[in-house]
Amino acid sequence: EAGVAQSPRYKIIEKRQSVAFWCNPISGHATLYWYQQILGQGPKLLIQFQNNGVVDDSQLPKDRFSAERLKGVDSTLKIQPAKLEDSAVYLCASSLVAGGANTGELFFGEGSRLTVL
Amino acid sequence: AQSVTQLGSHVSVSEGALVLLRCNYSSSVPPYLFWYVQYPNQGLQLLLKYTSAATLVKGINGFEAEFKKSETSFHLTKPSAHMSDAAEYFCAVSDPLNNDMRFGAGTRLTVKP
Repeated sequence: EAGVAQSPRYKIIEKRQSVAFWCNPISGHATLYWYQQILGQGPKLLIQFQNNGVVDDSQLPKDRFSAERLKGVDSTLKIQPAKLEDSAVYLCASSLVAGGANTGELFFGEGSRLTVL
Repeated sequence: AQSVTQLGSHVSVSEGALVLLRCNYSSSVPPYLFWYVQYPNQGLQLLLKYTSAATLVKGINGFEAEFKKSETSFHLTKPSAHMSDAAEYFCAVSDPLNNDMRFGAGTRLTVKP
């Protein structure tokens, strides 16, 4: 079974530029997450999708971050304009939701490392 | 909303010694609890999970954790550390109703020869 795919793995940009990250979850997984992991910290949830609807985006800085999951499969996270403090690893994860219950486990991609200069 | 506190950002043990990584949680609903491990430049890998069945949970690589509701704890243990256990460990709590998962700040485990 293929895992969660993310691209690019690494990206370096200047501040005020824009960047986009792509995630393809495990086939059949209804729930998709984007986390931000700053060096030395735990992952912080940015946004959670259930199919193509947003479940939680309370910690997404909406003035500069946006995310979409148009067809309920893959997703794109965009940052525009980037700030120095956006330097982090952006982790995508997916989980299976089955029949109203869920297995609970999140499956993570390898992450996209962003450096803002 | 739920949250997790991991006590100790760094833990150092000798090879063969007991590993104990501490995690306390806060949740308004009966939670699911998880431990994930992260090796350098990699994503997070599940070690074990508690989903309201047995309170003592066994995971991969000889790790186990015990859910103690009265103490709101979910500490991770391993009887004998191996050099390959050196990594960052994250405790996480989720709401079973919506799978909203929140992570602790992590504990870096160092294993000395």
